[in-house]
Amino acid sequence: EAGVAQSPRYKIIEKRQSVAFWCNPISGHATLYWYQQILGQGPKLLIQFQNNGVVDDSQLPKDRFSAERLKGVDSTLKIQPAKLEDSAVYLCASSVGTGLNQPQHFGDGTRLSIL
Amino acid sequence: AQKVTQAQTEISVVEKEDVTLDCVYETRDTTYYLFWYKQPPSGELVFLIRRNSFDEQNEISGRYSWNFQKSTSSFNFTITASQVVDSAVYFCALSEAHNTDKLIFGTGTRLQVFP
Repeated sequence: EAGVAQSPRYKIIEKRQSVAFWCNPISGHATLYWYQQILGQGPKLLIQFQNNGVVDDSQLPKDRFSAERLKGVDSTLKIQPAKLEDSAVYLCASSVGTGLNQPQHFGDGTRLSIL
Repeated sequence: AQKVTQAQTEISVVEKEDVTLDCVYETRDTTYYLFWYKQPPSGELVFLIRRNSFDEQNEISGRYSWNFQKSTSSFNFTITASQVVDSAVYFCALSEAHNTDKLIFGTGTRLQVFP
């Protein structure tokens, strides 16, 4: 079974530029998550999708961050414009569905550096 | 408010030593769930274990064991006879019954096992 795929693996941009990350979850997984992991910290949930609907985006900085999962499969996370404090690893995870009996499977992440 | 504390930032041991990673949590819920994840240098978070608040039985899986004590709000993780491949960052996480999909992570403990 293929795991969660993310691209790019690394991205370096200047502040005020825009950037987009892509995630392809495990086939058949209805729930998709985006996490932000700042260096030295644990991952923090940004947004959770169930199919193509948003379940929780309470910690997403909506003035600059946006995410979509139009067809309920792959997802894109965008930052526009980027700030220095956005430097982090962005992790995507998926699970079969909501609920505790469905563990989250994580991708390798995209490491974003803002200059 | 919910919180997970991993006071040990970094631990170094020599192969074959036993090592314990501490985790202390805070929650107002009576029903909650605790997790451990491993993050090797590749960046992917690997699920290790999940326990619910009603099950205080300790668990052993090979060289790994977990000690859950509600009285001290702790969920500690012990690796017996550590190996170089155990080198990684280990995260403890909490989710609460009203939102079981939302994982609240600690800041992680970096374990380095030297040959």
